[in-house]
Amino acid sequence: QKEVEQNSGPLSVPEGAIASLNCTYSDRGSQSFFWYRQYSGKSPELIMSIYSNGDKEDGRFTAQLNKASQYVSLLIRDSQPSDSATYLCAVREGGDYKLSFGAGTTVTVRA
Amino acid sequence: EAQVTQNPRYLITVTGKKLTVTCSQNMNHEYMSWYRQDPGLGLRQIYYSMNVEVTDKGDVPEGYKVSRKEKRNFPLILESPSPNQTSLYFCASSTKTGSFYTFGSGTRLTVV
Repeated sequence: QKEVEQNSGPLSVPEGAIASLNCTYSDRGSQSFFWYRQYSGKSPELIMSIYSNGDKEDGRFTAQLNKASQYVSLLIRDSQPSDSATYLCAVREGGDYKLSFGAGTTVTVRA
Repeated sequence: EAQVTQNPRYLITVTGKKLTVTCSQNMNHEYMSWYRQDPGLGLRQIYYSMNVEVTDKGDVPEGYKVSRKEKRNFPLILESPSPNQTSLYFCASSTKTGSFYTFGSGTRLTVV
């Protein structure tokens, strides 16, 4: 079974700070990587996707991928209280539709 | 509006009483999947379907059944629910080449 591991958290950051979330995966054949945000009691929503090594920025979010190290991260800059949620790392092997999820990291942004 | 609709949102049932959780998508997606979410364990795949009449087991299929008679519908069936199936369930769909899933709103199931 493919394994996806995230730093367990919870992670508490002050408003305006950078929140850094980490994820490692076991399957070297993985090709697609996603970050989902899930508010308590709600369904996951996609916030970032990344497919090649390096950084990808979207607003206050930056995803970083290092396939050699089997590592993907998410940075949230200028954290806001509305960013308080659980962040799920998801990984998909090339040609496979299944997403394997990590257990999630809960982020709390302190006002 | 493009969406995945699950029903019911909340369900409390007794051990052994058969139940069905419905899932319907209006995006003409080929791929549909069921996940359960438990504290500390994340989302674990129960069953998935690549297209009509094509289904396969995920990581935790024991105690569940599914069917895919129509492209839009993918119901989850618990023939004889047990308390260890108390969980939050999500249905999701994706295109064949889709890069991400669209999730339903979730069904919180309690088996007593």
